[in-house]
Amino acid sequence: DSGVTQTPKHLITATGQRVTLRCSPRSGDLSVYWYQQSLDQGLQFLIQYYNGEERAKGNILERFSAQQFPDLHSELNLSSLELGDSALYFCASSVEGSPDTQYFGPGTRLTVL
Amino acid sequence: GIQVEQSPPDLILQEGANSTLRCNFSDSVNNLQWFHQNPWGQLINLFYIPSGTKQNGRLSATTVATERYSLLYISSSQTTDSGVYFCAVDDRYGNKLVFGAGTILRVKS
Repeated sequence: DSGVTQTPKHLITATGQRVTLRCSPRSGDLSVYWYQQSLDQGLQFLIQYYNGEERAKGNILERFSAQQFPDLHSELNLSSLELGDSALYFCASSVEGSPDTQYFGPGTRLTVL
Repeated sequence: GIQVEQSPPDLILQEGANSTLRCNFSDSVNNLQWFHQNPWGQLINLFYIPSGTKQNGRLSATTVATERYSLLYISSSQTTDSGVYFCAVDDRYGNKLVFGAGTILRVKS
C-alpha cells in the first residue's frame, strides 16, 4: 500500500458525459501528479500540482482539468468524454516538487461506452 | 523531450531463473524509478535510483548516469514476479516522469 488513495476504482460512463476522479496524497506529501495509461499511448504525464499551485503540464487535453485543494487532495475532471478517453488514470504524490520518489495510487479505471 | 527505451520488450522465464532488464535514456536525469505493474494494474515502486546501486531482496538495480542507462536484476524469479516492469525518468526541467514502454515478464512454474 503506497498510502495514496484514489476513488472510484472503476467508472463506467457514456460518451459526452463528465466525471471527476479523486486523489488523496500520502500524508505530508505536497505534490500531486496525474498520469494516464492507455493501450495505444502507454503511461503519460498529464499534470502536476504542488501545494495548491499548478507546477507542470503534460499532454492534457483541454477537455480535462484538475485542481488541488487546501487539504492537498486533488481532483481530475474529464468532460465531453470520448471512447478514446477510456484508460487507467493514476495519481501519484511526492514530498516535494523537486526530484523525489513518486508513489502511485491504485488507479481509476475509466470505461467510456 | 527525453526518450526512454526499455529492453527486452518481452521475457519468458522458468521459475528460479535470473534476468536483467535494461533502460536507456537520452539525456541527463535527476530522477529514475523502476516500477512493477502487477496483473491487477497496480504500479509498485521498486527503486528510486538516479545513480548508483541498490538492492532489495531478490531485486537489485544499477544506474550509470554518465552512460545514461539503468539495469534491473531479478534473481531466483518467482511466478509472482510476472507483470510489466517500467523504467521512468524525469528531465532536468521538472519532476514529471517519462515512462518507457515497459518489459513484459512472464515467469512459468
